Amino acid sequence: GAVVSQHPSRVICKSGTSVKIECRSLDFQATTMFWYRQFPKQSLMLMATSNEGSKATYEQGVEKDKFLINHASLTLSTLTVTSAHPEDSSFYICSAKGQGRYEQFFGPGTRLTVL
Amino acid sequence: QQQVKQSPQSLIVQKGGISIINCAYENTAFDYFPWYQQFPGKGPALLIAIRPDVSEKKEGRFTISFNKSAKQFSLHIMDSQPGDSATYFCAASSAGTASKLTFGTGTRLQVTL
Repeated sequence: GAVVSQHPSRVICKSGTSVKIECRSLDFQATTMFWYRQFPKQSLMLMATSNEGSKATYEQGVEKDKFLINHASLTLSTLTVTSAHPEDSSFYICSAKGQGRYEQFFGPGTRLTVL
Repeated sequence: QQQVKQSPQSLIVQKGGISIINCAYENTAFDYFPWYQQFPGKGPALLIAIRPDVSEKKEGRFTISFNKSAKQFSLHIMDSQPGDSATYFCAASSAGTASKLTFGTGTRLQVTL
């Protein structure tokens, strides 16, 4: 399968700071990328969908000003958690798919801990 | 209508046995049904997927059975191994919803020696 990377894998920050998470498709062009959030022992919750060069589409209940998503190239999308608070602590996972394809390939995830 | 219901929530199978996980959906627009395997602290990995034009797909020890009329699909893991112990998620999507995946709630599989 195709390879998607995420960086960093783990981040600890103080409340009020902003954190940027990168998602890269390493061996294919990702026309669409997705960002998910996963709480312990729960399923994945879709936060937003981004198409290369377009504004992200956020799911209902997800604050777009809180979770800034940029998909500037066919291999890179970033999620910035602005003014992070302890309740933003979670496992964030991105996925990517190529144009005309159904398969979504997931990154390894980023564990965010806000103190 | 967007839900995908998955059962059981947890499953314990002896080594060498068959693990069976079931999913049901309501949205008839769904046309792609993948299964993902997730280990603790890792992202989900695409295991196997099926389109509704076939009733079964097999890849190694993993088989998807698909029943379009019943709107159900299942994952069978033959000769289950301890290394298969993980959480399995079924999902569904359609081209009409920008291929957004709707996930089941997950099944925690434990394969014992």
